[in-house]
Amino acid sequence: GAGVSQSPSNKVTEKGKDVELRCDPISGHTALYWYRQSLGQGLEFLIYFQGNSAPDKSGLPSDRFSAERTGGSVSTLTIQRTQQEDSAVYLCASSLGSGGGTQYFGPGTRLTVL
Amino acid sequence: GQQLNQSPQSMFIQEGEDVSMNCTSSSIFNTWLWYKQDPGEGPVLLIALYKAGELTSNGRLTAQFGITRKDSFLNISASIPSDVGIYFCAGRTLIQGAQKLVFGQGTRLTINP
Repeated sequence: GAGVSQSPSNKVTEKGKDVELRCDPISGHTALYWYRQSLGQGLEFLIYFQGNSAPDKSGLPSDRFSAERTGGSVSTLTIQRTQQEDSAVYLCASSLGSGGGTQYFGPGTRLTVL
Repeated sequence: GQQLNQSPQSMFIQEGEDVSMNCTSSSIFNTWLWYKQDPGEGPVLLIALYKAGELTSNGRLTAQFGITRKDSFLNISASIPSDVGIYFCAGRTLIQGAQKLVFGQGTRLTINP
Protein backbone atom coordinates (compact mmCIF):
# COMPACT_ATOMS: atom_id res chain seq x y z
CA GLY A 1 0.00 0.00 0.00
CA ALA A 2 0.92 3.65 -0.18
CA GLY A 3 1.18 4.24 3.54
CA VAL A 4 2.12 2.50 6.77
CA SER A 5 -0.51 -0.05 7.75
CA GLN A 6 -1.07 -1.65 11.13
CA SER A 7 -3.20 -4.54 12.28
CA PRO A 8 -5.38 -5.12 14.09
CA SER A 9 -6.86 -1.64 14.44
CA ASN A 10 -8.34 -2.61 17.80
CA LYS A 11 -7.44 -5.39 20.20
CA VAL A 12 -9.18 -6.26 23.44
CA THR A 13 -7.50 -8.87 25.57
CA GLU A 14 -7.62 -10.24 29.07
CA LYS A 15 -4.92 -9.53 31.59
CA GLY A 16 -2.16 -12.12 31.40
CA LYS A 17 -2.65 -12.99 27.73
CA ASP A 18 -0.01 -12.37 25.04
CA VAL A 19 -0.70 -10.08 22.08
CA GLU A 20 1.00 -9.48 18.75
CA LEU A 21 0.72 -6.21 16.87
CA ARG A 22 1.77 -5.97 13.25
CA CYS A 23 3.23 -3.12 11.20
CA ASP A 24 3.70 -2.98 7.43
CA PRO A 25 5.98 -0.05 6.60
CA ILE A 26 6.06 1.92 3.38
CA SER A 27 7.77 -0.14 0.69
CA GLY A 28 11.47 0.68 0.51
CA HIS A 29 11.67 2.30 3.94
CA THR A 30 14.58 0.79 5.82
CA ALA A 31 13.92 2.38 9.19
CA LEU A 32 10.95 1.41 11.37
CA TYR A 33 9.87 2.77 14.75
CA TRP A 34 7.37 1.72 17.41
CA TYR A 35 5.77 4.23 19.76
CA ARG A 36 3.19 3.99 22.54
CA GLN A 37 0.57 6.67 23.08
CA SER A 38 -1.29 6.56 26.38
CA LEU A 39 -4.57 8.43 26.79
CA GLY A 40 -4.01 12.17 26.64
CA GLN A 41 -0.25 11.79 26.31
CA GLY A 42 2.33 12.29 23.64
CA LEU A 43 4.13 9.50 21.88
CA GLU A 44 6.66 7.46 23.84
CA PHE A 45 9.47 5.83 21.84
CA LEU A 46 9.74 2.06 22.23
CA ILE A 47 12.15 0.59 19.68
CA TYR A 48 13.82 1.39 16.37
CA PHE A 49 14.84 -0.95 13.53
CA GLN A 50 17.33 -0.33 10.77
CA GLY A 51 16.76 -3.21 8.38
CA ASN A 52 16.22 -6.28 10.53
CA SER A 53 18.39 -5.18 13.42
CA ALA A 54 17.30 -3.11 16.39
CA PRO A 55 20.13 -0.74 17.37
CA ASP A 56 17.94 1.04 19.91
CA LYS A 57 15.60 -0.85 22.23
CA SER A 58 15.95 1.67 25.01
CA GLY A 59 12.26 2.55 25.14
CA LEU A 60 10.87 -0.93 25.78
CA PRO A 61 9.26 -0.60 29.24
CA SER A 62 9.91 -4.15 30.45
CA ASP A 63 11.10 -7.56 29.33
CA ARG A 64 7.48 -8.44 28.55
CA PHE A 65 7.85 -6.29 25.44
CA SER A 66 9.75 -7.52 22.40
CA ALA A 67 9.77 -6.80 18.69
CA GLU A 68 11.19 -8.31 15.57
CA ARG A 69 11.43 -7.39 11.95
CA THR A 70 11.87 -9.86 9.12
CA GLY A 71 12.94 -9.35 5.53
CA GLY A 72 13.55 -5.68 6.23
CA SER A 73 9.83 -5.12 6.02
CA VAL A 74 7.05 -6.29 8.36
CA SER A 75 7.54 -5.85 12.09
CA THR A 76 5.74 -7.47 15.00
CA LEU A 77 5.53 -6.03 18.50
CA THR A 78 4.77 -8.70 21.10
CA ILE A 79 3.57 -8.02 24.62
CA GLN A 80 3.61 -11.03 26.91
CA ARG A 81 1.46 -11.44 30.02
CA THR A 82 -0.36 -8.19 29.34
CA GLN A 83 -1.19 -5.85 32.21
CA GLN A 84 -3.87 -3.17 32.42
CA GLU A 85 -1.23 -0.43 32.24
CA ASP A 86 -0.29 -1.74 28.77
CA SER A 87 -3.57 -0.33 27.46
CA ALA A 88 -2.67 2.35 24.91
CA VAL A 89 -2.46 3.08 21.21
CA TYR A 90 0.64 1.51 19.66
CA LEU A 91 1.89 3.45 16.65
CA CYS A 92 4.37 2.38 14.03
CA ALA A 93 6.31 4.72 11.75
CA SER A 94 8.77 4.22 8.93
CA SER A 95 11.30 6.42 7.20
CA LEU A 96 13.40 6.12 4.07
CA GLY A 97 16.62 5.96 6.05
CA SER A 98 17.75 6.13 9.63
CA GLY A 99 19.01 9.71 9.33
CA GLY A 100 16.88 12.78 8.88
CA GLY A 101 14.12 11.29 6.76
CA THR A 102 10.52 12.11 7.65
CA GLN A 103 8.77 9.48 9.78
CA TYR A 104 5.40 8.48 8.35
CA PHE A 105 2.99 7.03 10.88
CA GLY A 106 0.43 4.26 10.63
CA PRO A 107 -3.07 4.60 12.12
CA GLY A 108 -2.12 2.66 15.23
CA THR A 109 -3.49 -0.32 17.13
CA ARG A 110 -5.66 0.48 20.13
CA LEU A 111 -4.95 -2.13 22.80
CA THR A 112 -7.32 -2.56 25.72
CA VAL A 113 -6.36 -4.93 28.52
CA LEU A 114 -9.29 -5.89 30.72
CA GLY B 1 10.67 8.90 29.39
CA GLN B 2 11.81 12.32 28.31
CA GLN B 3 9.07 14.63 27.04
CA LEU B 4 8.82 18.16 25.87
CA ASN B 5 6.67 20.69 27.72
CA GLN B 6 3.88 21.66 25.36
CA SER B 7 1.23 24.27 26.12
CA PRO B 8 -1.58 24.83 26.26
CA GLN B 9 -2.93 21.31 26.77
CA SER B 10 -6.24 22.28 25.18
CA MET B 11 -7.81 25.21 23.39
CA PHE B 12 -11.43 26.07 22.70
CA ILE B 13 -11.78 28.80 20.09
CA GLN B 14 -14.23 30.29 17.62
CA GLU B 15 -13.86 29.63 13.93
CA GLY B 16 -11.75 32.34 12.35
CA GLU B 17 -9.60 32.99 15.41
CA ASP B 18 -5.84 32.65 15.40
CA VAL B 19 -4.16 29.92 17.47
CA SER B 20 -0.76 29.79 19.12
CA MET B 21 0.93 26.90 20.90
CA ASN B 22 4.49 26.29 22.01
CA CYS B 23 6.98 23.75 23.23
CA THR B 24 9.99 24.06 25.49
CA SER B 25 12.72 21.66 26.45
CA SER B 26 15.72 21.50 28.71
CA SER B 27 17.62 19.78 25.88
CA ILE B 28 18.87 21.10 22.57
CA PHE B 29 17.43 19.59 19.39
CA ASN B 30 18.78 19.61 15.82
CA THR B 31 15.30 19.76 14.34
CA TRP B 32 11.84 20.71 15.56
CA LEU B 33 8.77 19.11 14.02
CA TRP B 34 5.07 19.83 14.31
CA TYR B 35 2.53 17.03 13.73
CA LYS B 36 -1.27 16.91 13.68
CA GLN B 37 -3.26 13.86 14.71
CA ASP B 38 -6.88 13.29 13.74
CA PRO B 39 -9.03 10.78 15.67
CA GLY B 40 -8.16 7.20 14.82
CA GLU B 41 -5.19 8.22 12.72
CA GLY B 42 -1.46 8.49 13.18
CA PRO B 43 0.27 11.87 13.38
CA VAL B 44 0.93 13.68 10.10
CA LEU B 45 3.88 16.02 9.67
CA LEU B 46 2.89 19.68 9.20
CA ILE B 47 6.14 21.63 9.41
CA ALA B 48 9.83 20.81 9.92
CA LEU B 49 12.34 23.36 11.23
CA TYR B 50 16.05 22.77 10.73
CA LYS B 51 17.91 25.90 11.84
CA ALA B 52 17.87 27.94 15.02
CA GLY B 53 15.84 31.09 14.42
CA GLU B 54 14.17 29.66 11.32
CA LEU B 55 10.63 30.84 10.62
CA THR B 56 8.67 28.64 8.22
CA SER B 57 5.15 28.89 6.83
CA ASN B 58 2.88 26.28 5.31
CA GLY B 59 -0.36 27.92 4.23
CA ARG B 60 -2.07 29.25 7.35
CA LEU B 61 0.53 27.61 9.59
CA THR B 62 3.67 29.37 10.78
CA ALA B 63 6.30 27.83 13.03
CA GLN B 64 9.60 29.04 14.46
CA PHE B 65 12.69 27.24 15.76
CA GLY B 66 13.90 29.09 18.86
CA ILE B 67 17.32 30.72 18.89
CA THR B 68 18.41 28.60 21.85
CA ARG B 69 17.27 25.42 20.01
CA LYS B 70 15.24 24.54 23.09
CA ASP B 71 11.85 25.83 22.03
CA SER B 72 9.43 26.25 19.14
CA PHE B 73 6.01 27.71 18.50
CA LEU B 74 3.23 26.99 16.01
CA ASN B 75 0.65 29.55 14.92
CA ILE B 76 -2.51 28.84 12.95
CA SER B 77 -4.23 31.83 11.42
CA ALA B 78 -7.94 32.17 10.63
CA SER B 79 -8.86 28.73 12.00
CA ILE B 80 -11.35 26.55 10.14
CA PRO B 81 -13.27 23.45 11.29
CA SER B 82 -10.80 21.00 9.73
CA ASP B 83 -8.06 22.37 12.00
CA VAL B 84 -9.65 20.43 14.86
CA GLY B 85 -7.34 17.75 16.21
CA ILE B 86 -4.34 17.21 18.45
CA TYR B 87 -1.11 19.01 17.62
CA PHE B 88 2.22 17.60 18.77
CA CYS B 89 5.65 19.14 18.76
CA ALA B 90 8.64 16.84 18.48
CA GLY B 91 12.34 17.44 18.91
CA ARG B 92 14.68 15.36 16.78
CA THR B 93 18.26 14.42 17.51
CA LEU B 94 20.69 12.27 15.58
CA ILE B 95 22.48 9.67 17.66
CA GLN B 96 25.12 7.64 15.79
CA GLY B 97 23.38 8.48 12.52
CA ALA B 98 19.95 7.40 13.71
CA GLN B 99 17.17 9.88 14.42
CA LYS B 100 15.28 9.94 17.67
CA LEU B 101 12.05 11.88 18.25
CA VAL B 102 10.86 13.19 21.60
CA PHE B 103 7.23 14.34 21.65
CA GLY B 104 5.31 16.91 23.61
CA GLN B 105 2.08 15.96 25.37
CA GLY B 106 -0.05 17.52 22.67
CA THR B 107 -2.46 20.46 22.33
CA ARG B 108 -6.08 19.49 21.70
CA LEU B 109 -7.77 22.10 19.51
CA THR B 110 -11.56 22.42 19.52
CA ILE B 111 -13.30 24.92 17.25
CA ASN B 112 -16.79 26.25 17.80
CA PRO B 113 -18.45 27.10 14.49
